[in-house]
Amino acid sequence: GAVVSQHPSRVICKSGTSVKIECRSLDFQATTMFWYRQFPKKSLMLMATSNEGSKATYEQGVEKDKFLINHASLTLSTLTVTSAHPEDSSFYICSATRSPESIQYFGAGTRLSVL
Amino acid sequence: GDSVTQMEGPVTLSEEAFLTINCTYTATGYPSLFWYVQYPGEGLQLLLKATKADDKGSNKGFEATYRKETTSFHLEKGSVQVSDSAVYFCALSVTNAGKSTFGDGTTLTVKP
Repeated sequence: GAVVSQHPSRVICKSGTSVKIECRSLDFQATTMFWYRQFPKKSLMLMATSNEGSKATYEQGVEKDKFLINHASLTLSTLTVTSAHPEDSSFYICSATRSPESIQYFGAGTRLSVL
Repeated sequence: GDSVTQMEGPVTLSEEAFLTINCTYTATGYPSLFWYVQYPGEGLQLLLKATKADDKGSNKGFEATYRKETTSFHLEKGSVQVSDSAVYFCALSVTNAGKSTFGDGTTLTVKP
């Protein structure tokens, strides 16, 4: 159990367009979902924490108007990269937790390439 | 604030060698400790965990013991395989269902 599906796995887009990434918990209701960005050979950078029905909490330095997070249900959170630019190219990973555990269950990641 | 420091990589070993990846932490409260593994091109997955002092987490031949006195959670495996090549992340979580603090990751390459 505790499977998290992330879609798409890879996306290539033109500069200036918006891209939506979905994160779904398939067999459990996620108390909280997290969005990370991972640079090559670097650790995970937490971007935001998302709880169902409330506004996401963004980490310092993360532009909330650029990285829109919607957590519409206990099984789905979306990250929209608005007006993407080449510097937004990265590997984005979501994770979900289920109360009362503190284990994070990760999606497989989305490789975003902005041309 | 909370932090995790893990051994810098990359680490390159021959098959069947002994592996240790060091991890130390600082935290307020009593954290749960985790090791996650990331295989190439994939997301992270939980490898093992420990929730209180002196607990030993183990999985797939990997072990780590929660040492409160040294604030450490070192990852060990007695005999590594090529398939163990991956990036390993040490992490802690202080709150239930809360966010975790991750180390920078250690890349392990095992050669035949």
